[in-house]
Parts: sequence; C-alpha cells; structure tokens
Amino acid sequence: HVQLQESGPGLVKPSQTLSLTCTVSGGSISSSTSYWTWIRQPAGEGLEWIGRIYTSGSTNYNPSLKSRVTISVDTSKNQFSLKLSSVTAADTAVYYCATAATNWFDPWGQGTLVTVSS
Amino acid sequence: DIQMTQSPSSVSASVGDRVTITCRASQGISSWLAWYQQKPGKAPKLLIYAASSLQSGVPSRFSGSGSGTDFTLTISSLQPEDFATYFCQQGNSLPYSFGQGTKVELK
Repeated sequence: HVQLQESGPGLVKPSQTLSLTCTVSGGSISSSTSYWTWIRQPAGEGLEWIGRIYTSGSTNYNPSLKSRVTISVDTSKNQFSLKLSSVTAADTAVYYCATAATNWFDPWGQGTLVTVSS
Repeated sequence: DIQMTQSPSSVSASVGDRVTITCRASQGISSWLAWYQQKPGKAPKLLIYAASSLQSGVPSRFSGSGSGTDFTLTISSLQPEDFATYFCQQGNSLPYSFGQGTKVELK
C-alpha cells in the first residue's frame, strides 16, 4: 500500500522560502488518480489544508496562502513538493503530505516540523 | 469558505462510556464529511468518510451520522486506545477545512 514521507529543512529564516518534499512509495504517482496534498498544523492547533496537485500538474491552493504557495510534482522521482515563500513565525507548524483518492485524506505522511526563526 | 465547528472542545470519559462528538458546517455539505483520529505526535488517521462509511480496519464501535450541516461521531464503548483528539473535515468544496478538534480525555 502507498506510504508517504516528508523531508526538508526543519529550520527556516523569516522572509525565506520553506521547501519540503514528499516521497511516495508502494505506488506510482504517475499512474494514480489521486490528488497529492499538503496540510499543516501549528503546535496545539487545528489542521489547515494548504493545497493539492493532480498527476497532470493541475493545482488548487487555499486562498489564504495562494500568493505564497507552489506545489509541484516530479513523476520521475515519485515525489511532490511544497514551496512557501516569505515565511514568518506564523508558518511554524508540522507539515503533512497526504493523498486523496476522493475528498478525504488517506494515507498521511508522519509529518515534519518546520520552525521559522532567525 | 466553509467553517467547521466541533463541540465539545474536550470531553472527559471512562473506558466503556458512549461518547458523542458533533460537527456543524457553516453551510450545507451534503454527506461530504470525514472524521479523523489523532494521537500525540502522530498524523491523523481516517476513521469515517462520506459521513457514515467506516474506513477499512477501523473498529465498528466508531460510527458517523448526519447530512447537510449537522454531523455526529459516536464511539459506542470507549476503549483505552481511543483517548485522542478527533477532527471533522468537509470535502464538499475547496478550500477543504477542518473542525478545531475534540480531545477525548480520561475521566
């Protein structure tokens, strides 16, 4: 079955760009009909949907983040990525990648903590 | 955007208790609702989708109901492994959104 694993820097300076990668195993991104998704969760808070990408490359983003977010897919590496620009302390959170065959998320990666601090 | 409101924010219960958590959407979402369980330091786990469909491998003591704007997650007989935080999520329209969570704690 499909498994996901996030990777990337755990510390990012304010105003810089946060970059994370999600590696998919146990299945091929290119042959899937799923949406590949990023979700984040600040410490002790709820979950925020960031955006998603389809295998074709079409994307949807949360309007609250749209001006700063880019999600891309690399089918040759079976990975998809998140870039969030101009970060501030408010972007400190655990970032999850997940897949959605329909409109719910399963499975999820284990999550990776990204702290924005100088 | 659709706002999801859960109640209560926390509930204290004992093993064997019946626990009910509610989720209200700010506008109708038909049956486009999911429930997740999250334990500390772990990713959320899908329990219920389409308001009342049990995800494969999830114990039958979990059930979901509702449609439109009002939904319920019920744990029929709380087990030690069920102490966790539960989130609802609407899948009706983008941007998808989650409730703020309900923490089920040991009484």
